[in-house]
Amino acid sequence: QVQLVESGGGVVQPGGSLRLSCAASGFTFSRYGMHWVRQAPGKGLEWVAFILYDGSNEFYADSVKGRFTISRDNSQNTLYLQMNSLRAEDTAVYYCAKDRAMVDPWGLGTLVTVSS
Amino acid sequence: DIVMTQTPLSSPVTLGQPASISCRSSQSLVHSDGNTYLSWLQQRPGQPPRLLIYKISNRFSGVPDRFSGSGAGTDFTLKISRVEAEDVGVYYCMQVTRFPLTFGGGTKVEIK
Repeated sequence: QVQLVESGGGVVQPGGSLRLSCAASGFTFSRYGMHWVRQAPGKGLEWVAFILYDGSNEFYADSVKGRFTISRDNSQNTLYLQMNSLRAEDTAVYYCAKDRAMVDPWGLGTLVTVSS
Repeated sequence: DIVMTQTPLSSPVTLGQPASISCRSSQSLVHSDGNTYLSWLQQRPGQPPRLLIYKISNRFSGVPDRFSGSGAGTDFTLKISRVEAEDVGVYYCMQVTRFPLTFGGGTKVEIK
């Protein structure tokens, strides 16, 4: 069945960097756009970024533009989120999700904590 | 950005009774292709969100028919005809018509 598994989260100091991965299986990864969405502890959902199926275009939330980069490797069925210049307000569970319009399924998420 | 406003914040419901959640967008969600990309998500405690309804009223695969969506333009509603214990959680509306994607603040459905 369709499965998305995020990894790469952890504790990082303000100003630091982290790269998240999302391993996809159970579907033809190269045919679908992919999202990153985050959820701060006890808060609602915030969309972060989207990449087209072939990696030809990317979209970002203003809150992360210029600091985060979404990318993908279709040969490895993997989605990435490179996060630089991290701030305390980036602390959240980061989910990857499949499909531009349906946005499902979602992975279980990986927790990123930005703290000194 | 399109602002999504959900009401109520919390909805205590008796088992077997209906529940209704409203979502209003700050702009029309009609896409240039004619579709309205308004979705509803359910997030059970400790779990990731899952898609319930897409394009206003289409139930996603495996979603029970007690869930229904309606609306048009900027006003949308999710209804649960008879709430079951497994429906406890937070419900979000989401627009995917235009980037950035935006979500409502969430409605917590709990059992009275």
